[in-house]
Amino acid sequence: AQKITQTQPGMFVQEKEAVTLDCTYDTSDQSYGLFWYKQPSSGEMIFLIYQGSYDEQNATEGRYSLNFQKARKSANLVISASQLGDSAMYFCAMNQNKLIFGTGTRLQVFP
Amino acid sequence: DAGVIQSPRHEVTEMGQEVTLRCKPISGHNSLFWYRQTMMRGLELLIYFNNNVPIDDSGMPEDRFSAKMPNASFSTLKIQPSEPRDSAVYFCASSLRGPGGGSGNTIYFGEGSWLTVV
Repeated sequence: AQKITQTQPGMFVQEKEAVTLDCTYDTSDQSYGLFWYKQPSSGEMIFLIYQGSYDEQNATEGRYSLNFQKARKSANLVISASQLGDSAMYFCAMNQNKLIFGTGTRLQVFP
Repeated sequence: DAGVIQSPRHEVTEMGQEVTLRCKPISGHNSLFWYRQTMMRGLELLIYFNNNVPIDDSGMPEDRFSAKMPNASFSTLKIQPSEPRDSAVYFCASSLRGPGGGSGNTIYFGEGSWLTVV
């Protein structure tokens, strides 16, 4: 069965620093996609980054990068040069038979 | 390009009333999803459609919930009768293709419909 685990309920980071949000997953299939979404206090779900299970390179999108370690079944999100506007909930998700979400990590960026 | 459009954004209704949530997916997307988000249960997939056909409705909580997709550009989620425990944010989302690996399966969300049943 598919499962996504985010073990950090909350994280703090100082502005301009980098932060890593953890995500591990469990699946027996070889083909799957891993996603990260941002949910600010306004409530919308914003797609950030995608990693395919067959992709050999780690995905990057601007200040976001995904540290994909297939053998460890982890897909951590790295945000570089944090900004105050990065304060939000962050959800890791896996798309195999259906998109399932982790419980989320609340990131607080302070000046 | 227009994203996924949901209405209403906010709805407050009395227990026992019928609630209809509406969704217009991104043009050209073949898959549509309804999710529910609550503090207790997080994000749950209720149902998804592929090419207007319901594929997996195992997440629909009970018979009070029904979803339709009469055409490629419109879907509804109906709750009848509504109960206070149905209070949640309901998201509609769409993707180019159905679930599975591949960047074409990126799911894009609407802004959500915030439902309060009193």
